[in-house]
Formats: sequence, C-alpha cells, structure tokens
Amino acid sequence: KNEVEQSPQNLTAQEGEFITINCSYSVGISALHWLQQHPGGGIVSLFMLSSGKKKHGRLIATINIQEKHSSLHITASHPRDSAVYICAVRNTGTASKLTFGTGTRLQVTL
Amino acid sequence: DGGITQSPKYLFRKEGQNVTLSCEQNLNHDAMYWYRQDPGQGLRLIYYSQIVNDFQKGDIAEGYSVSREKKESFPLTVTSAQKNPTAFYLCASSTQVAETQYFGPGTRLLVL
Repeated sequence: KNEVEQSPQNLTAQEGEFITINCSYSVGISALHWLQQHPGGGIVSLFMLSSGKKKHGRLIATINIQEKHSSLHITASHPRDSAVYICAVRNTGTASKLTFGTGTRLQVTL
Repeated sequence: DGGITQSPKYLFRKEGQNVTLSCEQNLNHDAMYWYRQDPGQGLRLIYYSQIVNDFQKGDIAEGYSVSREKKESFPLTVTSAQKNPTAFYLCASSTQVAETQYFGPGTRLLVL
C-alpha cells in the first residue's frame, strides 16, 4: 500500500461543476502539499498546509490530521483547470523528503 | 523574471553514454532537488542539496550523480550505470528544505 493514496485517479467534469479530489496518507506528517501539473509537464505548488483550511481564488484545500485525509476543491470549474493534481506529504522527522501520490487527472469540458 | 530553468527539454541518450541535465535557478534558494517521474508513479527523489557544496542521496540515487558548486546550479548526470533512464526529470528549489518547492519545466530523457 502506498503511503499516499489519491482518489479518483481520473475525473471528468463539465464547466461550472464543483470538484473534489481526495488524498489519504498513512504516516505522520508535518505538512501536506497540493501541486498542479500541466499537460506540458510543468508543476506549480498550490497549497502547503498542516491544519485546517486554505483558500486561493476558486481553490480550497482542507486537511484533517486525525483522519489523515485532505481534500482539494475547485469551485466553478473551467477547462483551464484541466491538469493532474498531485498530493504530497512531508513525513515527520524527514524535513528534506516529500512522498508523492500518483496524481488525479482532471479534465473539464465545455 | 525569477524562476527555474531546465535544459534541454528533450534529451536522447545512447547506450553506455553519460548525459547531463541542467538546472539553474535565480530565486536565491538554498535547497535544490532532482526528481524522476515515471508513468503511473509518484515523483521520486534522486538527490537533494541543502546548501552549496553539499548534497544527499534520495530514494533512487543509484546510477545518478550531482554537483553543487554554485548556489544557482544543480546539474544531474545520468550515468551508464542507470539501466532504465527513460523518464521525465524535474528539478525544484526552495528557500530551505521544509519550505514550498518551486519546479522547473522538466527534461524528458529518451534512450536510443
């Protein structure tokens, strides 16, 4: 079993839909990251969080430390949101290392 | 503009050949990283450097080497000992190791 599991693996939505991507992890962590990988391969860091909730524009990230679970929400989705969304955790005591999930491929259609 | 650049975008390697992937950043970051991405797998850490003239092995360092002679540069050499080098290679940097990482555009390495 991977230390970081994401669901779903693939997601197709229509423009305007509310989207949720889930991340579960099995280790103690000091922080969790959400990343966005565009079709060309470039990666952008969206959020780093260790508790609670963060919001940036139409993106919201939440984390429940007790349940070892995080969600990334996209409100009013748009075709430009189409990308792979990656969850990564920083294990407690290993500040230098991130463990990555395999990603959720999102396609938003008109 | 501040950022991370990787070159080349595509790189071809012949059998028995060493190749070097470039990574440069002008963000004044102390920490730099090299990751490998394969289809259906999460990114895996090859090497990282917390500061100039220092670097540490990651999870899959065998067949790779790095140097950190300058703060802004962290080249990765894929040696002939790496038997399955075909992958997408991503470089990243951060102010310190526990902070948000900024990624370069990546280099796709293909074996001829």
